Amino acid sequence: GQNIDQPTEMTATEGAIVQINCTYQTSGFNGLFWYQQHAGEAPTFLSYNVLDGLEEKGRFSSFLSRSKGYSYLLLKELQMKDSASYLCAVRDRHGGSQGNLIFGKGTKLSVKP
Amino acid sequence: DGGITQSPKYLFRKEGQNVTLSCEQNLNHDAMYWYRQDPGQGLRLIYYSQIVNDFQKGDIAEGYSVSREKKESFPLTVTSAQKNPTAFYLCASSIGGWDIQYFGAGTRLSVL
Repeated sequence: GQNIDQPTEMTATEGAIVQINCTYQTSGFNGLFWYQQHAGEAPTFLSYNVLDGLEEKGRFSSFLSRSKGYSYLLLKELQMKDSASYLCAVRDRHGGSQGNLIFGKGTKLSVKP
Repeated sequence: DGGITQSPKYLFRKEGQNVTLSCEQNLNHDAMYWYRQDPGQGLRLIYYSQIVNDFQKGDIAEGYSVSREKKESFPLTVTSAQKNPTAFYLCASSIGGWDIQYFGAGTRLSVL
């Protein structure tokens, strides 16, 4: 089956670094996405990994290990506006929803002054 | 300004009533999607369409219907058969079925 796990909530301090983990189990992995969602708003695309390694984009980086079924999103120099939910989503090439995304429940990050 | 527009932002449904949520995109994307988001749960796929005049059921299609008569538009009807319609509904689109999905601002549906 398909399963995606990420922590429900995390708290961090402004200016610090935080790492949000995501583990997954799929039968036909074909890419992992991270989205940011502020309360009551649309998810916005942050990053995409399909090969192992680190993808860096400004203050945000995302890492993927396909052999371990593991990814993390790294946020540096945290700002208050980074308080949001972070959604991990995996694309599975098998099954009835071929090519469609399977979303985790999201990690709610609170940034404190 | 390209983007995905969902309307209305808030919608109320009476018992036994069908309601339709609008989703329009001017990004020239072929693929469009409808998701439902409930507190404490991940986004769940309701319906998706890879091309005009074609659509497929997602994981939770019961009680919903869609149409895709134009490339730009993918309306979702929540029928009276959907017994628990209260949720945040998100529409998304992508260039093709395997590309990055971009989301609209969502419609929050409540039952009166």
